Amino acid sequence: SQQGEEDPQALSIQEGENATMNCSYKTSINNLQWYRQNSGRGLVHLILIRSNEREKHSGRLRVTLDTSKKSSSLLITASRAADTASYFCATEHDTSGSRLTFGEGTQLTVNP
Amino acid sequence: DAGITQSPRYKITETGRQVTLMCHQTWSHSYMFWYRQDLGHGLRLIYYSAAADITDKGEVPDGYVVSRSKTENFPLTLESATRSQTSVYFCASSETGNTIYFGEGSWLTVV
Repeated sequence: SQQGEEDPQALSIQEGENATMNCSYKTSINNLQWYRQNSGRGLVHLILIRSNEREKHSGRLRVTLDTSKKSSSLLITASRAADTASYFCATEHDTSGSRLTFGEGTQLTVNP
Repeated sequence: DAGITQSPRYKITETGRQVTLMCHQTWSHSYMFWYRQDLGHGLRLIYYSAAADITDKGEVPDGYVVSRSKTENFPLTLESATRSQTSVYFCASSETGNTIYFGEGSWLTVV
């Protein structure tokens, strides 16, 4: 399976702290994307990083990609209670179809 | 508003019945997808489409049928619903190599 794996499965932190989630995958990728899902809602795209990029920033989000280790990390700085959600990494493994393979997700809880 | 919409949002059906979940997008994206998400898990690809009249199987296609006669619509049909198909179904669309946009999901319960 090409499915990515997120680590940890669950993370609980206090407001203001940083949250780091990791994603590993098995085969080479074209790009890796991170999504957020609030309870009972659809997935919202956060950030896309291409295979030739090593780091991207978007607001309080920082994503890194290490293709040699086949891994990525998502850092949320200065977390807020509103960041409470499930976070999924998804990988695109070929150039046809834009198909994404999702991991099982990390459940982040930010306590006020 | 432009976007991707799914209907129905919530559906309860009986085992053996046929169910169709509708998906409509207003961006004219070439690609459309159907994923299912079982409770507490990630998404698994059921079917996808690269353009009108072009569809292909994903990871878990058994028991599902899709069609795409128009670019903007991508209905998913469960020909004879089973309890194992109780899930949340997400439709999505994109252009190649770019962000995939998801609908809000269709919650399906098969009793």
